[in-house]
Amino acid sequence: GAVVSQHPSRVICKSGTSVKIECRSLDFQATTMFWYRQFPKQSLMLMATSNEGSKATYEQGVEKDKFLINHASLTLSTLTVTSAHPEDSSFYICSAREYVNYGYTFGSGTRLTVV
Amino acid sequence: SQQGEEDPQALSIQEGENATMNCSYKTSINNLQWYRQNSGRGLVHLILIRSNEREKHSGRLRVTLDTSKKSSSLLITASRAADTASYFCATVSGNQGGKLIFGQGTELSVKP
Repeated sequence: GAVVSQHPSRVICKSGTSVKIECRSLDFQATTMFWYRQFPKQSLMLMATSNEGSKATYEQGVEKDKFLINHASLTLSTLTVTSAHPEDSSFYICSAREYVNYGYTFGSGTRLTVV
Repeated sequence: SQQGEEDPQALSIQEGENATMNCSYKTSINNLQWYRQNSGRGLVHLILIRSNEREKHSGRLRVTLDTSKKSSSLLITASRAADTASYFCATVSGNQGGKLIFGQGTELSVKP
């Protein structure tokens, strides 16, 4: 079945630094990738949608200059949290889809802690 | 953005009992999906029901969809301790570019 590999699974960074999270589709071409954020005991909040080769579309309230998304190839999308602050500490999960009516495959998530 | 509410927010039952979780949504949908998440982990897709379907079964899972009420339910029969997890419904709407929007989730605890 379809697999999405997400790295790192956990990262601790200092306040003010940037962190990059990678999501790779291993056995299919991810024409669309979705990035979610999840705070403890809460649901997944969609941050942005990215299509390969295009700029990401951000949800209302999500700062595009803070959360940089790159989807330069059909198998790789990255989320960079720039100038991270403690309030950015969260669980970030990516999801990939090959075609519109195909299923969604989720990565295993990245636990970001900003100290 | 969140699609809607799920209830209950938390559910605690004994092994062997059935667990029912409900989900409501706001917009018209193409399909509705249920996912499971173990604590701090990724999501596992459980079942998908299309907007023209009313009921679907998969093993111990039964999902219903009422598009007139914009609601769905997930029934887990003969629950096991291993079913302990958070369960989320998520919807796909035709006019939102295929985005998968999640409900609030139900935290299920099955006691042995």
